[in-house]
Amino acid sequence: GAGVSQSPRYKVAKRGQDVALRCDPISGHVSLFWYQQALGQGPEFLTYFQNEAQLDKSGLPSDRFFAERPEGSVSTLKIQRTQQEDSAVYLCASSPAGTGPLSSYNSPLHFGNGTRLTVT
Amino acid sequence: AQSVAQPEDQVNVAEGNPLTVKCTYSVSGNPYLFWYVQYPNRGLQFLLKYITGDNLVKGSYGFEAEFNKSQTSFHLKKPSALVSDSALYFCAVRDKDYGGSQGNLIFGKGTKLSVKP
Repeated sequence: GAGVSQSPRYKVAKRGQDVALRCDPISGHVSLFWYQQALGQGPEFLTYFQNEAQLDKSGLPSDRFFAERPEGSVSTLKIQRTQQEDSAVYLCASSPAGTGPLSSYNSPLHFGNGTRLTVT
Repeated sequence: AQSVAQPEDQVNVAEGNPLTVKCTYSVSGNPYLFWYVQYPNRGLQFLLKYITGDNLVKGSYGFEAEFNKSQTSFHLKKPSALVSDSALYFCAVRDKDYGGSQGNLIFGKGTKLSVKP
């Protein structure tokens, strides 16, 4: 497929369970981002990868959230011991641009359709 | 700190009429500005961006936006609305001089556009 693919589309978890959300970026895209979108809100930044390196994780809300991109392509966002406040849509986005002060700034992000997580 | 404000939760327009979705921003340096559209149960789709140059930017599906530095605004416009334009619209900003994550976008809360036949 040509776009960013996320799975599963929907996930229901009982409070306290661990979940793993997968993102397949567009082939060859260097940059990968995770965003969290709560109901009625805009997406909020979680973390950023350039290839396999996690360059910014300042948006992760707690140490229960962990993301990886070990081979610089597929990424997984893991949430341990889920809480009700974790319920949201988790969006993945990729961009072909990489390092350098100008290369990423003006590149639009390509978003997946998201994973809707509901914690009961 | 960077921020984006979309003052209207919802905008209602009759088909064929012009539409405007408002956005104002606050950054410490010079901004890169973006508009994205989100259809139900879908991810965000890029519409247009302002980087530098002409203040009027044209994008996908007939949309355009005007960058106004003095008013720190980047309102989205379309001369003639279509029912199919009904969706959620997000304005986003990236501080050109921001020293943090190179790709991090700050999004507004979104504005729901409803176009009635």
